[in-house]
Amino acid sequence: KAGVTQTPRYLIKTRGQQVTLSCSPISGHRSVSWYQQTPGQGLQFLFEYFSETQRNKGNFPGRFSGRQFSNSRSEMNVSTLELGDSALYLCASSLGSAYNEQFFGPGTRLTVL
Amino acid sequence: AQKITQTQPGMFVQEKEAVTLDCTYDTSDQSYGLFWYKQPSSGEMIFLIYQGSYDEQNATEGRYSLNFQKARKSANLVISASQLGDSAMYFCAMRDGTGANSKLTFGKGITLSVRP
Repeated sequence: KAGVTQTPRYLIKTRGQQVTLSCSPISGHRSVSWYQQTPGQGLQFLFEYFSETQRNKGNFPGRFSGRQFSNSRSEMNVSTLELGDSALYLCASSLGSAYNEQFFGPGTRLTVL
Repeated sequence: AQKITQTQPGMFVQEKEAVTLDCTYDTSDQSYGLFWYKQPSSGEMIFLIYQGSYDEQNATEGRYSLNFQKARKSANLVISASQLGDSAMYFCAMRDGTGANSKLTFGKGITLSVRP
């Protein structure tokens, strides 16, 4: 069974631009969560989607948004990029129950110049 | 208060020895789950082990075991017979809350270096 895939793996953008990251979960998994990882803040929860609905959301500004499609694939979008958005963005999928383990993708490393 | 606390800045262990990575947590919920993940330098998070708050026995997965002390709110990871490939960052995480308030919260992580 294929693991969680994320595209692109690396991305370089400039301030003010927007970016869209993609995540394909493990087949059969209906929950997709997104995390931002930086050296200073560590791993921070962005949002979680389940069956195309946002189930919960972390403490990030509205510039960060996401969606999930009927095939469970998910995208996250960051508009008006800031230097501080440079980070590793990790996507994780799970079967859906809150206490199932989450399986992570390799991440997308975003650099904002 | 922080939900997950990992205070060890970096740990060193000799190959083939056992090592304990500390984790304490804070929640007022009765039902919660505790997880440990490994993150090698490649960046991918690898699930290691899970402990539910109602599980009476400590979880074990191969060389990994979780020393769960509910009254002390600690969930330490024990790695037996360390291998060079165990060198990585290790994150403790907790899932508590219900519905829209339920999310996975991670600690700051611990760097483990295994010496040959």
